This record gives sequence, C-alpha cells and structure tokens, in this order.
Amino acid sequence: KQEVTQIPAALSVPEGENLVLNCSFTDSAIYNLQWFRQDPGKGLTSLLLIQSSQREQTSGRLNASLDKSSGRSTLYIAASQPGDSATYLCAVREGTALIFGKGTTLSVSS
Amino acid sequence: GAGVSQSPRYKVAKRGQDVALRCDPISGHVSLFWYQQALGQGPEFLTYFQNEAQLDKSGLPSDRFFAERPEGSVSTLKIQRTQQEDSAVYLCASSDREGRDNEQFFGPGTRLTVL
Repeated sequence: KQEVTQIPAALSVPEGENLVLNCSFTDSAIYNLQWFRQDPGKGLTSLLLIQSSQREQTSGRLNASLDKSSGRSTLYIAASQPGDSATYLCAVREGTALIFGKGTTLSVSS
Repeated sequence: GAGVSQSPRYKVAKRGQDVALRCDPISGHVSLFWYQQALGQGPEFLTYFQNEAQLDKSGLPSDRFFAERPEGSVSTLKIQRTQQEDSAVYLCASSDREGRDNEQFFGPGTRLTVL
C-alpha cells in the first residue's frame, strides 16, 4: 500500500531564506506527483505537477524535483516571504486517486 | 474562468441527521473526485466519477456515504445518519481529461461538524 511521508511536519524560517521541503513515497510505480498549498480553512491550490517521466518542474520561486527510483521529491522555495506561510502537501497518483502526505506547515516571519 | 465551487462551505449537523454536499466542477471537466480531510491529516480519496459514471467508490468509509453525478457535471455527496467521526472537510476536485497524468483542481471544501 502506497504511503507518503513529509518531513519536517513544521518549519519556521525568517524572511528571505531558501528552504527545502521533503516528500517520500514507498511505491515508485506512480503516474505523477503534485505539490499543493493549503491556507487555513481553505482548499488546495496546485503548485507544481511532475509527470513520472520528468525530473523537475519550476514555477517562479518554486522548484520541485522527482527521483522516482528512490521514492523522493523535494520542493525548493527560494527567497521565502511571509505570504508563503501555509501548509504544503505532496501527493502521488498511482491509480484513480491522489495519495497525500500529512503536509509540512511553513511559517515565514518578517 | 471559474474554479471548482462547493456548497455549503460550512455545515453543522446533529448526530443522526442526513446531509448533502454539492460540488460544481470546472465547466467541461470530465473527471470528478471527492476526498475527506480530517483535522491535521492529508486528504483521503472517497470516490471518482468519469462523466456520470461512478468508476471507483473504494474509499467510501461505509454504506452511509453515497455520491452521484447524474448529468455528468454537478455532483452531490450524501451522508446518511451522520456520526461524530464524519466530522471533516470534504473536498471536491476535477480534471479535464480521463488520463491518470492529469492535474486535479480542488474546490474550497465543505467543513462538516457533527455534534
């Protein structure tokens, strides 16, 4: 059974720092991996989608990598800002559904 | 264009009541998904529709949960005889094609509280 783990569970950084969020999954037979952002009381906003044949995707200050063979993905956030404070969720698609980790809650202080 | 919308945003029910949660997917999206997110957890899959056909309902936790999408657009998730353990945020997502490599777009969710 696929399991997705995100480390750390929570992270606090000062504004301007570069940071990395980690995601690992137990079964490498995935179709894609998606990173989401969730603000308190809100739904999920899709940040990046990496297909199984891809190694990375970039959008603005965000860069996500995928190493399917080792079951790992990282989300790199450059020059963090207070507006980046949210919970970041990683999800893999191996069948019909997305399978999510529990998320990393990020707090960026000004 | 408009994203996925859900209503109501908040629902409080007494234990034993029936509730109905509505999802309006992005116009033209073929696939529709329901997820349940308990406090402090990631979302967990409930059920999947391709147009009006419910192709996967393996995540529905009990026979008290029922979902439909009769015309292949709007979907309703119904929970009968609600229990306290049903308290969660119910998220709906849609995608524009049938393939498994397609991005899912989520709505804001309905927060259900069962007293």
